[in-house]
Parts: sequence; C-alpha cells; structure tokens
Amino acid sequence: AAGVIQSPRHLIKEKRETATLKCYPIPRHDTVYWYQQGPGQDPQFLISFYEKMQSDKGSIPDRFSAQQFSDYHSELNMSSLELGDSALYFCASSLRGLGLAHTSTDTQYFGPGTRLTVL
Amino acid sequence: GEDVEQSLFLSVREGDSSVINCTYTDSSSTYLYWYKQEPGAGLQLLTYIFSNMDMKQDQRLTVLLNKKDKHLSLRIADTQTGDSAIYFCAGNSGSARQLTFGSGTQLTVLP
Repeated sequence: AAGVIQSPRHLIKEKRETATLKCYPIPRHDTVYWYQQGPGQDPQFLISFYEKMQSDKGSIPDRFSAQQFSDYHSELNMSSLELGDSALYFCASSLRGLGLAHTSTDTQYFGPGTRLTVL
Repeated sequence: GEDVEQSLFLSVREGDSSVINCTYTDSSSTYLYWYKQEPGAGLQLLTYIFSNMDMKQDQRLTVLLNKKDKHLSLRIADTQTGDSAIYFCAGNSGSARQLTFGSGTQLTVLP
C-alpha cells in the first residue's frame, strides 16, 4: 500500500538559511499534519491542513510557514534557520472525510521523516 | 492542553510479556494510539482503541483502557528482540484532531 512520502530525507543547512520540506500524503487522504521531533523528545504538533485549508496551528514558529496544494501535497517552509531547528520533521496524513464525527479514518499515518541539521 | 505521561524505560527478557503504561489528562480524545519508533526511523502505527472500549486485542498486542483512571496500557506478548524500540502513546484531543504524544518508553529486550 502507498505510504506517506517525504523529501528530502536528510537536509543540512547553515544558520540563517532557508529550507523547504515536502510531503506527499497517502492517495485520497484529505488531511496533512506536520510534527517536529527534537533529539530525545516526543513529536510536537506544528500545523495541519484539511482540504487545502489550514485547520489548526500548534507550536510553529513565525519563521515557519506551510501550505497544502491542489494535489494535496504539502510544503513546510522554514526561514532564518536556527541551531535549535535541528530535528526530525514528520508529516502525517489521514482521511477525515466529512468530519461529522470522529471515525477510525482519523488515524494518522506518518512518513519516514526529514532529518534537518542546522550548522 | 492534554498532558500524556509514560515511564521512560522498560527492560524485559525475550519471550516474556511487556507492559507499557500511559496516563493522560484530557478525556476528550476519541481515539488513543500506540506508535513504535525504531532508532532514526519514522513512527509506525501499532494499534489504536476507541475511547468507549475497554480492551482491544490484535495478535500479540493487547490494549487496555481505564477511562476512570485515564490509564492506557499496551501489552506485548512473547516479546522479541525486534520489539526493541521507543513506544509512544498518543491521544487525538486537539481541535484539528492532532496528536499529543507521551514522552515515549524505551523498550529493551534482552536475550
């Protein structure tokens, strides 16, 4: 079965540079989530999109922005990178459907992650 | 917001059962999940339980949910060395059903 695809898998940047992370959800999934996992930490929610509209924001810095495109893929744009941005960035997708009630289709499936290292 | 707690480490012998525990504060999660993460890898969904269930069994995995005590557990029967990983519990109580994760339990399976 098709899974969530993330690219690149590894990225090395210097301080103050910019980075763009891409996520391709499972086909027919309508919701994308971005999470950040620092070393030895649990994943923290950054932002989510449902049907190409932003649906909620978590602890996402103002330096970061994201969007979901017409083909449902999503990009996380990170500017003015700091050393503390070094982390694993996960994208997850789910099928929320009509969103009338919580259903098992809310289950989030995670991509392999992008490991960002800021030097 | 939701607070989810787990014990950090667990060691078991190969062939024994492992029980990983999780407590949470927000009872509005409709689903509670268990994810497995191997070193440097992504999050693999193991199983989930609907909040109005007490128990769910899936092959070697048994999930128990005590809503009164806000306690969730994952039992792995006949634990193997390949089960060594970090296990995260998570709830979907956010407005966008985003997941709030526990701190993760590092399971080490000894031969």
